[in-house]
Amino acid sequence: KAGVTQTPRYLIKTRGQQVTLSCSPISGHRSVSWYQQTPGQGLQFLFEYFSETQRNKGNFPGRFSGRQFSNSRSEMNVSTLELGDSALYLCASTLLALSTDTQYFGPGTRLTVL
Amino acid sequence: QQQVKQSPQSLIVQKGGISIINCAYENTAFDYFPWYQQFPGKGPALLIAIRPDVSEKKEGRFTISFNKSAKQFSLHIMDSQPGDSATYFCAASRYGGSQGNLIFGKGTKLSVKP
Repeated sequence: KAGVTQTPRYLIKTRGQQVTLSCSPISGHRSVSWYQQTPGQGLQFLFEYFSETQRNKGNFPGRFSGRQFSNSRSEMNVSTLELGDSALYLCASTLLALSTDTQYFGPGTRLTVL
Repeated sequence: QQQVKQSPQSLIVQKGGISIINCAYENTAFDYFPWYQQFPGKGPALLIAIRPDVSEKKEGRFTISFNKSAKQFSLHIMDSQPGDSATYFCAASRYGGSQGNLIFGKGTKLSVKP
């Protein structure tokens, strides 16, 4: 079974721009979560989507948003990029529920904001 | 209340030695404690997990020890191998709760010297 795929793997943007990252979960998995990984803050939860609905949200500003499609694929969007948004963005796929099923992570998208 | 504190930040162990990584949590509602292993360029992968109804769980060379009263848990890697060199993250969440997102420690970079 193919794992979680994320595209693109690397992105370079400038301050003020917006960016869209994509995640395809493991086949059959219906929950997709997004995490931000930085050297200073570590891994921090952004949000979770299940059946096209945001089910949980972390403590990030409204510039960070996401959505999920009917095939469970998910996108996250960051608007008005800031230097501090430079990070590895990880997508995790779960069969049904974050709270009871194992989260399988993709390789991440490395975003650099200049 | 939401923090998970992990130590040490980095660890160097000789091949065949024991690697020990410690974590402490604050929120007594947490009842699921996984450890993730991350290699460079890859997303975190679940290594082993424990729930507080047991004080120890062993899978191969990896053992989690859990002390509920002290709100601490640790990962022991026996007979450490160079291939174990990676970053290890502890995490915590509420199993079966409405918000199952993982709260991660800051990570420990393990280097196993041959």
